[in-house]
Amino acid sequence: KAGVTQTPRYLIKTRGQQVTLSCSPISGHRSVSWYQQTPGQGLQFLFEYFSETQRNKGNFPGRFSGRQFSNSRSEMNVSTLELGDSALYLCASSPDSSNTEAFFGQGTRLTVV
Amino acid sequence: GQNIDQPTEMTATEGAIVQINCTYQTSGFNGLFWYQQHAGEAPTFLSYNVLDGLEEKGRFSSFLSRSKGYSYLLLKELQMKDSASYLCAPRGSYIPTFGRGTSLIVHP
Repeated sequence: KAGVTQTPRYLIKTRGQQVTLSCSPISGHRSVSWYQQTPGQGLQFLFEYFSETQRNKGNFPGRFSGRQFSNSRSEMNVSTLELGDSALYLCASSPDSSNTEAFFGQGTRLTVV
Repeated sequence: GQNIDQPTEMTATEGAIVQINCTYQTSGFNGLFWYQQHAGEAPTFLSYNVLDGLEEKGRFSSFLSRSKGYSYLLLKELQMKDSASYLCAPRGSYIPTFGRGTSLIVHP
């Protein structure tokens, strides 16, 4: 069974640009959560999608958005990038919305210059 | 809101036992996770406690006291490969909130 796949693994963008990150969950998993990880703040929850609906949202500005497709694949988008958005973005999938055990992807390392 | 407190860094000797503590305050409570994260890698699931008491799984055990808002992860027979960050993550509603993690350094 394939694990959680995130693409791309590394990305360099310029301030003001926008970026889209992709996450393919484990087959059969319907819940996808996104996290931002930085050395100073640790792992911070961005949002969770279940059956194409955003179920929960963290405390991030509206520049951060996401969506989930009918095959459970998810994308997150960050518009008007800022230097502080440089981070590791992790996606986690679980079978259902109870999120008993979340499996993480390897993450996308975003650098904003 | 949620507040999670765990030590920033701990060191221990190979073969020893180490206990990583975590205290938390959450709006509601629906279980607590421990994850391990090696540098440059994704977090991997270690344990999940929803009831008070000790859950043992091989060399790793996790304890929970809901009334005290307290959990610990116990690692026995430490190995060099256990050097990693250990993340405590209580779940208030649907989603676990992660602490900043405890960086464990195991030396020979």
